[in-house]
Amino acid sequence: GAGVSQSPRYKVAKRGQDVALRCDPISGHVSLFWYQQALGQGPEFLTYFQNEAQLDKSGLPSDRFFAERPEGSVSTLKIQRTQQEDSAVYLCASSLLNTGGNQPQHFGDGTRLSIL
Amino acid sequence: KQEVTQIPAALSVPEGENLVLNCSFTDSAIYNLQWFRQDPGKGLTSLLLIQSSQREQTSGRLNASLDKSSGRSTLYIAASQPGDSATYLCAVGDRGSTLGRLYFGRGTQLTVWP
Repeated sequence: GAGVSQSPRYKVAKRGQDVALRCDPISGHVSLFWYQQALGQGPEFLTYFQNEAQLDKSGLPSDRFFAERPEGSVSTLKIQRTQQEDSAVYLCASSLLNTGGNQPQHFGDGTRLSIL
Repeated sequence: KQEVTQIPAALSVPEGENLVLNCSFTDSAIYNLQWFRQDPGKGLTSLLLIQSSQREQTSGRLNASLDKSSGRSTLYIAASQPGDSATYLCAVGDRGSTLGRLYFGRGTQLTVWP
């Protein structure tokens, strides 16, 4: 496909379970971002990869959140010991390398995570 | 920390009206500003990207302006249609942060009725 693909689209988990969310970026896109969007809010930055290197993880809310992109393409966001406040839509975005702020980000449809 | 504010939070208009959505940001040291559209249950679709050296961008019925010094952007939608109904998000790329990282407003929820 031509766009950013995220799976699963919906995930329901019990509090305390671990979850893994997948992102397939657009082929050839060097930059990959994860955002968290709570209901009625704008997306909030979580982490950024350039190829396989995680260059910024300052937005991850706790050490229960972990992201990886081992081969510089597919990325996985893992949340351990989930809590109710983790319920949100998790969005992945990719872009060509941004050398001067001239590259738009392309977003997937997100994974809606509900913690019971 | 960059703060982005969008006004109004919601807007309901009849078809055919011309609209202005407003966005303000607190730190003028930005790389760019992007306007996105979000449909219910969907991700974000990039509408327009204005680099910091530019004043405006146009795409079809959409026109976005940027006044970096005053920390403001407006999105103008001409001759609105019911298909324009969605949430419109403004986001800035901040020079003090990782290149590409975006700071978002909470959006303007637009309803255009026939």
